[in-house]
Amino acid sequence: EVQLVESGGGLLQPGGSLRLSCTTSGFTFSTYAMSWVRQAPGKGLEWVSGISDDGDSSNYADSVKGRFTISRDNFKNTVYLQMNSLRAEDTAVYYCTSQGLIWGQGTMVSVSS
Amino acid sequence: SYELTQPPSVSVSPGQTARITCSGDVLPKQYAYWYQQQAGQAPVMIIYKDNKRPSGIPERFSGATSGTAVTLTISGVQAADEADYYCQSADSSGIWVFGGGTKLTVL
Repeated sequence: EVQLVESGGGLLQPGGSLRLSCTTSGFTFSTYAMSWVRQAPGKGLEWVSGISDDGDSSNYADSVKGRFTISRDNFKNTVYLQMNSLRAEDTAVYYCTSQGLIWGQGTMVSVSS
Repeated sequence: SYELTQPPSVSVSPGQTARITCSGDVLPKQYAYWYQQQAGQAPVMIIYKDNKRPSGIPERFSGATSGTAVTLTISGVQAADEADYYCQSADSSGIWVFGGGTKLTVL
């Protein structure tokens, strides 16, 4: 069974850091690009970042550039999102997805003082 | 950056046809994708590369493209189709963008 499971979300104060993980199974992870997409409460989908299958190339939305870093470990079948200098507007459910076809269930990140 | 524009809402009676449009300057050059998101759930891809259906998606869902717009058509709408629908595309460097989403209401 193909599965993506996000973890690492939580409640933290502005300026804090968090690392999200997305552990995958059931498909050849190393041959697929991966992305993180977020959804603020009551809002639409927002693409955050993407990484190539080999990890050599990555992209970021302007809203997170310079603060977030995407990475992957093809031996552990896991993609990560390191989030620094968090702001209230980063509050959202964070989903990982394999090329938009397979999605995890999401992990909630809340940034509040 | 570029934008994709969708109507905020579309309403249709059961059994009728719903059409949701998405417009953007990037669409003649890049593929469009459509997602369905039920309340409290993760998105599900229902159309990829403008007009192709992933395995398991009913034929009632179809996609079409014309110039700077793409259209998702849902034929024979059912109550279970009530959801938010998002279009998505990507530029040549791989940066994705989503439309603002359309809430489909089945009357």
